[in-house]
Amino acid sequence: DTAVSQTPKYLVTQMGNDKSIKCEQNLGHDTMYWYKQDSKKFLKIMFSYNNKELIINETVPNRFSPKSPDKAHLNLHINSLELGDSAVYFCASSQIEGGTIYFGEGSWLTVV
Amino acid sequence: GESVGLHLPTLSVQEGDNSIINCAYSNSASDYFIWYKQESGKGPQFIIDIRSNMDKRQGQRVTVLLNKTVKHLSLQIAATQPGDSAVYFCAEKGNRGNDMRFGAGTRLTVKP
Repeated sequence: DTAVSQTPKYLVTQMGNDKSIKCEQNLGHDTMYWYKQDSKKFLKIMFSYNNKELIINETVPNRFSPKSPDKAHLNLHINSLELGDSAVYFCASSQIEGGTIYFGEGSWLTVV
Repeated sequence: GESVGLHLPTLSVQEGDNSIINCAYSNSASDYFIWYKQESGKGPQFIIDIRSNMDKRQGQRVTVLLNKTVKHLSLQIAATQPGDSAVYFCAEKGNRGNDMRFGAGTRLTVKP
């Protein structure tokens, strides 16, 4: 009965590869987000979608492309992975924009 | 940037003592604030929230205080337990009002 679920939890990949992280929420929320957490635990918003529409794109390189096939899903595709992309990526959702955010368990991405 | 900041990156307390975690925020227009707890290997979990029309809100063993004059938020944990050991984040509504911005986090360690 996980509210926000994301896969994979761990991902180790080589520089230059393309990878995707999938996210689904079963809370019936309209808004979904991707946050990036660096090694110092700082959480920074990357994207938000409201009802499949892109709302926030926080100066993220265009190698990162979110896709929302429906309001319950927000996937993150990353092209040409770089060492600096190594981080924990959190998917999250909220009932409305700017409302209480509920997070998934995170996807640990390591680029080698 | 880091518009929501914490002055103490680490806090160590004795089991049974009360803990106070502080946070300074920058968006004077923010009308909503949340405290999150992040345990090792997990996503941030909602603890308690407060709206700007209140200056205090209590939950189970936790109290959030809001001082809008000095743009300061604090989380008080009563009778701190080992299970409270985690990183705590404050979050405020972003400038556009459609997302939450997070502070740098404070690591709370509870000594038995």
